[in-house]
Amino acid sequence: AQSVTQLDSQVPVFEEAPVELRCNYSSSVSVYLFWYVQYPNQGLQLLLKYLSGSTLVKGINGFEAEFNKSQTSFHLRKPSVHISDTAEYFCAVSRNSGNTPLVFGKGTRLSVIA
Amino acid sequence: DTGVSQDPRHKITKRGQNVTFRCDPISEHNRLYWYRQTLGQGPEFLTYFQNEAQLEKSRLLSDRFSAERPKGSFSTLEIQRTEQGDSAMYLCASSPRRGGEQYFGPGTRLTVT
Repeated sequence: AQSVTQLDSQVPVFEEAPVELRCNYSSSVSVYLFWYVQYPNQGLQLLLKYLSGSTLVKGINGFEAEFNKSQTSFHLRKPSVHISDTAEYFCAVSRNSGNTPLVFGKGTRLSVIA
Repeated sequence: DTGVSQDPRHKITKRGQNVTFRCDPISEHNRLYWYRQTLGQGPEFLTYFQNEAQLEKSRLLSDRFSAERPKGSFSTLEIQRTEQGDSAMYLCASSPRRGGEQYFGPGTRLTVT
């Protein structure tokens, strides 16, 4: 079975500052890793994914994440945040045997302060 | 590509009533997933289909819950004899044959009074 731990439930950050949202996972098999963003009263939007290959993954809206197998981590980063980045961010993992159900973390609320 | 759609977006029902939600996936996506999300939590997997076959059900899916995807296109999720604990956002997602990522709909917010 897989599990995901998002280490921070809330992260406040000033506009134009860098941010890192932390994610650790546990799995007995190889996995795919994802970050999703959720704006209020909306569904989830895929930010980026790691399936294989380069461990540094670039996504939409200037976000990137680095897969670290030895530390079982997949932290999300952005060098300069905007007010519009205020949202809930979810890290998720699935078995890499194909399209299988996602296991999500509890989410991190990113609040960008003007 | 119109995205995943869900209907209704909001549903308020009284305890004990039955409700049914519909999900239309992205066309040609062969896998369809249902998740439930409660306030302050990440989505939790309920069940998923490959074409019309239901491949897996979570232990969260009690006997009061049933899901179908009769023609391998849209899917319905029915909750019988609703309870207040069923109040949540119900999310649907679909995925293509290759790629691994899932595309989510806007969700159906259920409130049981």
